[in-house]
Amino acid sequence: AQSVTQPDIHITVSEGASLELRCNYSYGATPYLFWYVQSPGQGLQLLLKYFSGDTLVQGIKGFEAEFKRSQSSFNLRKPSVHWSDAAEYFCAVGLTGGGNKLTFGTGTQLKVEL
Amino acid sequence: GAVVSQHPSWVICKSGTSVKIECRSLDFQATTMFWYRQFPKQSLMLMATSNEGSKATYEQGVEKDKFLINHASLTLSTLTVTSAHPEDSSFYICSAWAKNIQYFGAGTRLSVL
Repeated sequence: AQSVTQPDIHITVSEGASLELRCNYSYGATPYLFWYVQSPGQGLQLLLKYFSGDTLVQGIKGFEAEFKRSQSSFNLRKPSVHWSDAAEYFCAVGLTGGGNKLTFGTGTQLKVEL
Repeated sequence: GAVVSQHPSWVICKSGTSVKIECRSLDFQATTMFWYRQFPKQSLMLMATSNEGSKATYEQGVEKDKFLINHASLTLSTLTVTSAHPEDSSFYICSAWAKNIQYFGAGTRLSVL
């Protein structure tokens, strides 16, 4: 069965610092890959996705992610974090032809220090 | 585009009553919608897959008679929590699928007294 690992439960960064959130997946083929962000008491907003092609994908709010097949990773990055980026971030994996279901990681809580 | 509306955002009910939650895709049609449950500080747990015009597919361990799902149109799916009990209190989130992407509603906080 596929699985998604987000090794960091909590991350604290200073405003203006760079950010990298890690995501590793376990699956035999290349899945569809997603990063979502959730603010407290809210639903999930799609930050970016990878289906195929260029392994560096750009998303909203200045985020980007890089798919590395050899490492089965899809890490999320942002060069300069803003206080409003404080939220919960979920990495998710979807199977191609897998009934459109998503498997989510456990999430990383981002705290931004001013 | 790709807006999903979920209503209500917050509901309190008495134990033993039923609660209906609506999930609407506002600017697109969704043949498939999903219902999730999220416990505090945890990830999303898929409860069921809702397909327009057919019966929902429930994940293992989810009581289909307690969590009734109806997907009567391409823009609306409903989740009814029947005979709610305090242990059903949770945050419920729906999503609508389009072009290999799931778009999420804002969630419904259910509190059962």
